[in-house]
Amino acid sequence: EVQLVQSGAEVKKPGESLKISCKGSGYSFTSYWIGWVRQMPGKGLEWMGIIYPGDSDTRYSPSFQGQVTISADKSISTAYLQWSSLKASDTAMYYCARHRDYDLAPDYWGQGTLVTVSS
Amino acid sequence: NFMLTQPHSVSESPGKTVTISCTRSSGSIASNYVQWYQQRPGSAPTTVIYEDNQRPSGVPDRFSGSIDSSSNSASLTISGLKTEDEADYYCQSYDSSWVFGGGTKLTVL
Repeated sequence: EVQLVQSGAEVKKPGESLKISCKGSGYSFTSYWIGWVRQMPGKGLEWMGIIYPGDSDTRYSPSFQGQVTISADKSISTAYLQWSSLKASDTAMYYCARHRDYDLAPDYWGQGTLVTVSS
Repeated sequence: NFMLTQPHSVSESPGKTVTISCTRSSGSIASNYVQWYQQRPGSAPTTVIYEDNQRPSGVPDRFSGSIDSSSNSASLTISGLKTEDEADYYCQSYDSSWVFGGGTKLTVL
């Protein structure tokens, strides 16, 4: 069974760093892309970027380029989304999703990780 | 890049049929596949339509997708509405970057 399991909720202060994870199982992790999507409280979905764990090819939405870093460790079938300096506006739910290719629709989604940034 | 515009909300009675539209602002709707996602309150999105009109396994055939080049829009149609269909629905397409519509809240009352 294909599963994407995300790390648990986080509460951080502005300026702190954070790395959240998305662990894939039940399929060949290096053969599919993993994308990240942001959903701010009460708002819609925003695509952030995508990575191919097989060779770490990474593409970012222009809106998120330079704001976050997407990475993957294929040895443990895990993709990451990280911030070096969080802002209150980073408070949101973050979802990972599996794509057959970077320009094809996701077929499986993680359960989401809630990130709260507050002083 | 382009935008995808959806109605903010729609409502319909159980057993009826509802159609949610998704209009592309520039470029042809037929140039890139359109996907549709369902998001129930407090849950992660799930894919209900991919590649314009394909249903993932497990999605009932009450859900269907189409595109209309004349209006440059895509549509999600749900027939035989059930209360469990009440959710937010998002369209999405790709053109060098993924773009989501703003979402449509479907109320089944």
